[in-house]
Amino acid sequence: RKEVEQDPGPFNVPEGATVAFNCTYSNSASQSFFWYRQDCRKEPKLLMSVYSSGNEDGRFTAQLNRASQYISLLIRDSKLSDSATYLCVVNKPNDYKLSFGAGTTVTVRA
Amino acid sequence: GAVVSQHPSRVICKSGTSVKIECRSLDFQATTMFWYRQFPKQSLMLMATSNEGSKATYEQGVEKDKFLINHASLTLSTLTVTSAHPEDSSFYICSAEPRTGLDRNIQYFGAGTRLSVL
Repeated sequence: RKEVEQDPGPFNVPEGATVAFNCTYSNSASQSFFWYRQDCRKEPKLLMSVYSSGNEDGRFTAQLNRASQYISLLIRDSKLSDSATYLCVVNKPNDYKLSFGAGTTVTVRA
Repeated sequence: GAVVSQHPSRVICKSGTSVKIECRSLDFQATTMFWYRQFPKQSLMLMATSNEGSKATYEQGVEKDKFLINHASLTLSTLTVTSAHPEDSSFYICSAEPRTGLDRNIQYFGAGTRLSVL
């Protein structure tokens, strides 16, 4: 089983729509969780950390469910510029290394 | 956020050539830097962890004699792909963690190096 699994998508949504997707992780001892955004042929950029109580940053909301070992990302009022691949990233327990999911592709259309 | 510079962004070379990639943290000190490789439509795979002043730690299956890592200072790590072959063609990305500050557990990525070996 992969350490981090994501639905690759693509999620094709119209502008203004809400889109949400999950990521599951295999190690229950994982401690830190992040969503990164990666544009085509570019480097990943941190979108937001995910906190236990859930957190929001503008149109983006992240949730963590430790019992079921998944994190989610919700994007409200989608913009064309939100089109990207969203990477779920989890730290390895007792380690500073990160495990990356293969990404969920979101395409927002006009 | 912190800035990590990676150079060069693109390399096309002949088989058997060695290629050196530089990764610099521009506005912070990084005790630890990471080197990843990403094949098309796949996730980033950690190749090695680079520690300033000590030997790099390689992930299982990564040949340390083929991928030479040097972390000479708190702001610079280099990856040298020795005797590159077409199967080494990939997107190589470095990242760095700030040594101090609120974002000290966040990895910031360089822009990546796209290596094509002919």
